Amino acid sequence: EVVLTQSPATLSLSPGERATLSCRASQNVGRYLGWYQQKPGQAPRLLIFEASNRATGVPARVSGSGSGTDFTLTISSLEPEDFAVYYCQQRSNWPIFTFGPGTRVDIK
Amino acid sequence: EVQLVESGGGLVQPGGSLRLSCTASGFTFSSYWMSWVRQAPGKGLEWVANIKIDEIEKHYGDSVKGRFTISRDNAKNSLYLQMNYLRAEDTAVYYCAREDHETLDVWGQGTTVTVSS
Repeated sequence: EVVLTQSPATLSLSPGERATLSCRASQNVGRYLGWYQQKPGQAPRLLIFEASNRATGVPARVSGSGSGTDFTLTISSLEPEDFAVYYCQQRSNWPIFTFGPGTRVDIK
Repeated sequence: EVQLVESGGGLVQPGGSLRLSCTASGFTFSSYWMSWVRQAPGKGLEWVANIKIDEIEKHYGDSVKGRFTISRDNAKNSLYLQMNYLRAEDTAVYYCAREDHETLDVWGQGTTVTVSS
């Protein structure tokens, strides 16, 4: 079973700062890694698929990178709407989806 | 507009049953695998089950195997989750979601299930 670990658990930043979120897999998952954003009271929203591809409507300030076991979600300059919880997700052991525990991005 | 709308949540006693529904619109429902994902209060996301386009394949998470049944009706653009022998730990918001590119690219707004006496 692949386990995803996200760090840090909480990231406190100011608008305009750069956010760097990490997701580490316990085994090689290739590029089968997605990232989601969830705001309070809302459903998750897909941001990134296949490690680095932005989903429809996702702004260019959001980017994903990595392969194998180490992945990064970067938001180049935080906007007020970016403060949320972010989850990574893998599917290397198809058909099961596994999610990481999440990183909360708070306003400093 | 691509949309998923869940319904059927509510309060149920431990050991009881509930059937969730999810209605799709704005895309060809019969062309996609579909999943259910849940989120317990204050917790993270847990994948529950998924179903192939033609219902031939169904898969379940370990925590619901043998108690929950996923199904679909492509003629009605609908996905279902029959939940039996419900436990307190099944209390969660349940989301239906569309699968694509090994991710879940469209989500419903969720329906809340509370298991309590």
